Formats: sequence, C-alpha cells, structure tokens
Amino acid sequence: NAGVTQTPKFRVLKTGQSMTLLCAQDMNHEYMYWYRQDPGMGLRLIHYSVGEGTTAKGEVPDGYNVSRLKKQNFLLGLESAAPSQTSVYFCASSPHGRGRAQPQHFGDGTRLSIL
Amino acid sequence: GESVGLHLPTLSVQEGDNSIINCAYSNSASDYFIWYKQESGKGPQFIIDIRSNMDKRQGQRVTVLLNKTVKHLSLQIAATQPGDSAVYFCAENTVAAGNKLTFGGGTRVLVKP
Repeated sequence: NAGVTQTPKFRVLKTGQSMTLLCAQDMNHEYMYWYRQDPGMGLRLIHYSVGEGTTAKGEVPDGYNVSRLKKQNFLLGLESAAPSQTSVYFCASSPHGRGRAQPQHFGDGTRLSIL
Repeated sequence: GESVGLHLPTLSVQEGDNSIINCAYSNSASDYFIWYKQESGKGPQFIIDIRSNMDKRQGQRVTVLLNKTVKHLSLQIAATQPGDSAVYFCAENTVAAGNKLTFGGGTRVLVKP
C-alpha cells in the first residue's frame, strides 16, 4: 500500500528554470493538497483540490500553479523558479469530510533547492 | 491572518516520563484541532484530533486537551519512548473549506535514555 507518493525526492534548479512536482495517491481520496515547509517552521498551504478538475489557492500560492486532471494525481508547477522557493514540498490527500475532519495523509516530501 | 502557534520549541524528556506539548491558537471558528508527528525526513503523521465542542480525548498513550476559554491545546504522551522523538505540530481544521489545515510552528521532543 503506497499511500501518497511524491516524485522526485530531491532536485536542484537554477533561478528561472521550470519544473513540475508530481503527487500520486492510491487511496481514492477526493481532496489533495500541496504544502511547503521552510526550516524550523510548520507547513503552509500552497494550493489544494477538492476534486478532479478543480483547484483553489491556499495561503501562499504566488509563483506556483497546479493541475488535477486525474483524481489520483496532483501536479505542482514552478514556471520560473526563484531562490525564495527553496523548501521542502509536501503533498497530502484526504477523503471528503462528510461533515467531520478527515486526517490528511502525507507523502515524504520533495527537497527543492533553487540556486 | 489566523494562526496556530506553540509555546516551546524544544522539549527534552527522560524515557518513561510523561510529555506535555502546548499550543496556542487564535481562530475560534475552527472545527477540529489536530496533532501531527513528523520524524526526520518524513511527512507529518496524524496522531489524534479533537472536535471543537469537546475538551478531552484519549488515544493510545496520548491525550489531547482543549481549553477554548484561553484558546489552548495540549498533547500529553504517557511513558515517553525513544520512538516518540520527533517534531510535533498542532493544526486547526476547517471542515467546510475543503478540510484545510493551518499548522503551528512545531515543538521538537528529544527523549533521553
């Protein structure tokens, strides 16, 4: 049971380059999320999706785009990477709440450095 | 904006003792409060949650207490073990808004043998 899988695990980019981070979940969850975690800090929500074909902005969306073309995949794109985007990126998924909180299941992160 | 924060950045505890991790929150409208554990190099792992209309909930070796009067949340770990060494985050959940989480800054727990 893989759960939430993120690829790649590590990446180094130069300023101005673009890349896409892939998140895949095999739990048939409706909701998916992208967070970033900076050193010594908690996670901050970048974008999220409540279903296939839908996306919404989180707390820190600037500089990122997302797509949810398939229910099991959630892509995070950096069109023109900046040093301020150096961080660890976590993807998570959860079932629909149905009126109560549902635990989010996290991947193990992508460590991204922008030089 | 609304935020969730923590009082203590690092907590050292002797193996076998109880641990208490504290968290202050500011958004009274949150539906649930949740504790996550994050081990080095891993993503956060759900520990326990508590609904906003409750004041205590117990799990296996863990207890979460919620004091809405002073907007305070705590996680108690009984008989702390070496495997409990990690960073612990509190988070608040808004069910209607896509089950979103707002995380606090984290407390590192170090278990001494």
